[in-house]
Amino acid sequence: DQQVKQNSPSLSVQEGRISILNCDYTNSMFDYFLWYKKYPAEGPTFLISISSIKDKNEDGRFTVFLNKSAKHLSLHIVPSQPGDSAVYFCAAFPLNRDDKIIFGKGTRLHILP
Amino acid sequence: NAGVTQTPKFQVLKTGQSMTLQCAQDMNHNSMYWYRQDPGMGLRLIYYSASEGTTDKGEVPNGYNVSRLNKREFSLRLESAAPSQTSVYFCAAKRTAINQPQHFGDGTRLSIL
Repeated sequence: DQQVKQNSPSLSVQEGRISILNCDYTNSMFDYFLWYKKYPAEGPTFLISISSIKDKNEDGRFTVFLNKSAKHLSLHIVPSQPGDSAVYFCAAFPLNRDDKIIFGKGTRLHILP
Repeated sequence: NAGVTQTPKFQVLKTGQSMTLQCAQDMNHNSMYWYRQDPGMGLRLIYYSASEGTTDKGEVPNGYNVSRLNKREFSLRLESAAPSQTSVYFCAAKRTAINQPQHFGDGTRLSIL
């Protein structure tokens, strides 16, 4: 049973528009959430995170929103740029248990010229 | 500044052969991890090491052994490779402090024939 679900395997967005990547989770013990970005033939790189005590965290063009009641988080990229084309992984773990981190299957984002 | 270095980058093995995947980090992080990534799947934790001298099983440890040689190095061994172990393997390192992101190497692509 998937505890972290990214239901969209791929997403295409026009350059300059907003990209919204979604993630749902089932484990109410999850306390900390992260987004990683991955280019082909490279390892994932950390993008942005959010603690369950917040509902929004912003870093430049990237904003993560957390809706705890819906067990849903989303990553917004504004404006989308060609270099944003990559696979994005959502991940979550319980409080102080990053050995229990669970990754979603990823969403491939294509930024169209 | 290399971060996390994995060797080799590619390897082809025959069923039954043994192999050790190497991982070294120069960030002085205490925690290190081994993941595998299969097509259409997220990253799944094989083993992790919270500190030098300690190792623990993750989600998919069967068929693997690990060794935390020192603070810098964490190796993953396949004693008798099986086709089901064909995958991309990622090593990661992380600071001990809570809610810190992992830093990944660029992966080892392993094919078992």
